[in-house]
Amino acid sequence: DQQVKQNSPSLSVQEGRISILNCDYTNSMFDYFLWYKKYPAEGPTFLISISSIKDKNEDGRFTVFLNKSAKHLSLHIVPSQPGDSAVYFCAASLGTGNQFYFGTGTSLTVIP
Amino acid sequence: DAGITQSPRHKVTETGTPVTLRCHQTENHRYMYWYRQDPGHGLRLIHYSYGVKDTDKGEVSDGYSVSRSKTEDFLLTLESATSSQTSVYFCAISEAGERRQETQYFGPGTRLLVL
Repeated sequence: DQQVKQNSPSLSVQEGRISILNCDYTNSMFDYFLWYKKYPAEGPTFLISISSIKDKNEDGRFTVFLNKSAKHLSLHIVPSQPGDSAVYFCAASLGTGNQFYFGTGTSLTVIP
Repeated sequence: DAGITQSPRHKVTETGTPVTLRCHQTENHRYMYWYRQDPGHGLRLIHYSYGVKDTDKGEVSDGYSVSRSKTEDFLLTLESATSSQTSVYFCAISEAGERRQETQYFGPGTRLLVL
């Protein structure tokens, strides 16, 4: 049973505009959330994270928002660039044993 | 980039044969993980290790075993490969300190095809 869900398999955005990737989770005990970016034939690379005690974390063009009451997090990329085209995975952790649960991924295409 | 290598990077094998994948790290991180990535499933944890000779099962551990005899190496073994184990396998490492919440860093992946 998928505890972390990304309901949009793909997203296309024009260069310079905002990309919004969404993620929902079912386990209210998750206390740490992350976004990873993955290019073809490479391993996922860490992008940004947020603790459950916060509702926003920003790093340059990337901002993650957490809505605990809705069990929802989102990743905003502003402005989007063609190099951002990749598959994005959200992940959640229970903290104990540091096990991560991943979503199924959203493929982002930024159109020049 | 974290020093993580996986070998082999590609492998084709036949059903019923044993297969061992190797993950090697140079970061001296305590935690190591094996995931598989499949379409429609994202990344799923197979097994993980929290120290030398200390391992535990993840959500899709059936048909897999692991061993960790040294900090730097984490081996994943398919005792008798099946076609359902055709996948891309990723190793990851992390150093969970007192905060517990540490990022996992991934290797480049091993693409396994079981015929």
